[in-house]
Amino acid sequence: QVQLQESGPGLVKPSETLSLTCTVSGGSIISYYWSWFRQPPGKGLEWIGYIHYTGRTNYNPSLKSRVTVSVDTPKNQFSLKLSSVTTADTAVYYCARLNDHGWGDIWGQGTMVTVSS
Amino acid sequence: DIVMTQSPDSLAVSLGERATVNCKSSQSVLSSSSNKNYLAWYQQKPGQPPKLLIYWASTRESGVPDRFSGSGSGTDFTLTISSLQTEDVAVYYCQQHLSFPYTFGQGTNLEIK
Repeated sequence: QVQLQESGPGLVKPSETLSLTCTVSGGSIISYYWSWFRQPPGKGLEWIGYIHYTGRTNYNPSLKSRVTVSVDTPKNQFSLKLSSVTTADTAVYYCARLNDHGWGDIWGQGTMVTVSS
Repeated sequence: DIVMTQSPDSLAVSLGERATVNCKSSQSVLSSSSNKNYLAWYQQKPGQPPKLLIYWASTRESGVPDRFSGSGSGTDFTLTISSLQTEDVAVYYCQQHLSFPYTFGQGTNLEIK
């Protein structure tokens, strides 16, 4: 069955760039949309953006100026870069598979990223 | 953005009893072209990622127990658990996926009374 696993630094300094990778196993990244979400401690879920394996992207306007999502089909991975981070970006970051209509049917376990000096 | 508002924020229900979570959207999430409601429900247990329960407002995801059901249309939706089990203790979220950005309700924390 398809599984997703996030990886990347758990601590990022303010003003730097947060970089995470999601590795897809048990299936191909070709087809479907692949998305990033985040959840600040004790708070609700926020959609960050998605990428299609063709490279087409869509981002949350609230983060659009700082977000880049990319895909590496040979490696079966997609990645998130969030620039100029502040403490408000501290959250658990999840990668997920979106079906064509926009719901997340498979999620990674999540990775906690703390922004602190 | 479409604002999703859930009620109540928290809910305590006795084992075996019915639990009802409500979700209201600031705009209709019914697509005129497909006549489908672009509304999903998720369950999130502590330390775990969200789990998809229902999509199209009322279609259960494969493997989800039939005690979970979704209803509603347009702007008002309900998630019902017909007979609460201990493993249903979780936070429940609704999500609209009709328009960008995708948005979630604030969550409803369901506990055992």
